[in-house]
Amino acid sequence: NAGVTQTPKFRILKIGQSMTLQCAQDMNHNYMYWYRQDPGMGLKLIYYSVGAGITDKGEVPNGYNVSRSTTEDFPLRLELAAPSQTSVYFCASSYSTRQGPRGAPQHFGDGTRLSIL
Amino acid sequence: QKEVEQDPGPLSVPEGAIVSLNCTYSNSAFQYFMWYRQYSRKGPELLMYTYSSGNKEDGRFTAQVDKSSKYISLFIRDSQPSDSATYLCAMSETTDSWGKLQFGAGTQVVVTP
Repeated sequence: NAGVTQTPKFRILKIGQSMTLQCAQDMNHNYMYWYRQDPGMGLKLIYYSVGAGITDKGEVPNGYNVSRSTTEDFPLRLELAAPSQTSVYFCASSYSTRQGPRGAPQHFGDGTRLSIL
Repeated sequence: QKEVEQDPGPLSVPEGAIVSLNCTYSNSAFQYFMWYRQYSRKGPELLMYTYSSGNKEDGRFTAQVDKSSKYISLFIRDSQPSDSATYLCAMSETTDSWGKLQFGAGTQVVVTP
């Protein structure tokens, strides 16, 4: 059981380049999230999705885009990479119904470490 | 002011000691409280979660929530070198999903043999 899988694990980009961070989960979770983690700052929510075709902004969405075409996948797109986007990116998932959350709170992947030079 | 405050540490303790971690928060609407453990270069791993006030115990770990003081704690008994990690508190105010968690910055814990 893989859980939440993120690829790539490491990446170096030049300023202005673009890339897509991949996230896949095999737990049939309907909710998926993207966070960034900067030193001393905790995790900040970038975007989240409550199901296929539905996404919404989190606390720090500028410079990022997401899509959710399937339950399993939730890619994060960086357009025109900037040094401020140097960070560790985590994808997470959880399951909820109309009656409320089910199971445990968010399961995390092992992250993508991104440097923009 | 941050919504969730957590001392970054590092907190260094000898093996076998009790580790005491805490977070304070300002949003009285938080109802769910979680503790995550994060090893270096790994993702956060859920340790425990609680709803509203009270205590919860799981093996060597005890979580406490005091909503009146807006203060949560995690205690690790009989600490082991394998407990060396960063511990993140997280909170959520929604009941229709696990929602948008607010995280503390994390406390680094070092357990020395």
